[in-house]
Amino acid sequence: GAVVSQHPSWVICKSGTSVKIECRSLDFQATTMFWYRQFPKQSLMLMATSNEGSKATYEQGVEKDKFLINHASLTLSTLTVTSAHPEDSSFYICSATYQSSYNSPLHFGNGTRLTVT
Amino acid sequence: AQKVTQAQTEISVVEKEDVTLDCVYETRDTTYYLFWYKQPPSGELVFLIRRNSFDEQNEISGRYSWNFQKSTSSFNFTITASQVVDSAVYFCALSEGVANAGKSTFGDGTTLTVKP
Repeated sequence: GAVVSQHPSWVICKSGTSVKIECRSLDFQATTMFWYRQFPKQSLMLMATSNEGSKATYEQGVEKDKFLINHASLTLSTLTVTSAHPEDSSFYICSATYQSSYNSPLHFGNGTRLTVT
Repeated sequence: AQKVTQAQTEISVVEKEDVTLDCVYETRDTTYYLFWYKQPPSGELVFLIRRNSFDEQNEISGRYSWNFQKSTSSFNFTITASQVVDSAVYFCALSEGVANAGKSTFGDGTTLTVKP
């Protein structure tokens, strides 16, 4: 089945530094990738939709200058948390779909647990 | 706007019991898809099922079954003869309209604990 690889699995960084998270589709071309954020014991909240070759579409309330998304190819999207602060600590999950259709199941990465100290 | 409600925050059962996880959704679209995902303690999300709004036929896959009722806007998930490995957080999700291709709204999740 479709596989989405997310790297790193966990990262600890100091406040003020930037962290890049990669999301790769390994056996399919992902026309669209999604970035979600999940706080402990809470649901997934969509942060942004990333389309290959175009700017990401951010959900209301998500700072686009803080969460930089780049979808440079059909197999790779990156999320960079810039000038990270402790409140950015969270579980970040990417997902990818290979069909531009609302009925496509989302294939999820294993998530990245970010801790900002 | 769409909304997914999973009223059961936590459920605890003893192994071999049957358990039903409830999911109620709201949408203005006539065309939409519903999903169930499993999130084990390791954190990754595992796709379980997808159901479109035009197909109300119930589905069974091994110990899992799903009951979709448009009349009550519900898409409930039943695990028969539960096992310890079923312990996880289960999310119900809704995706609507072609314009929102691939975007899903998730419920808050139900944490299922199966005790031996």
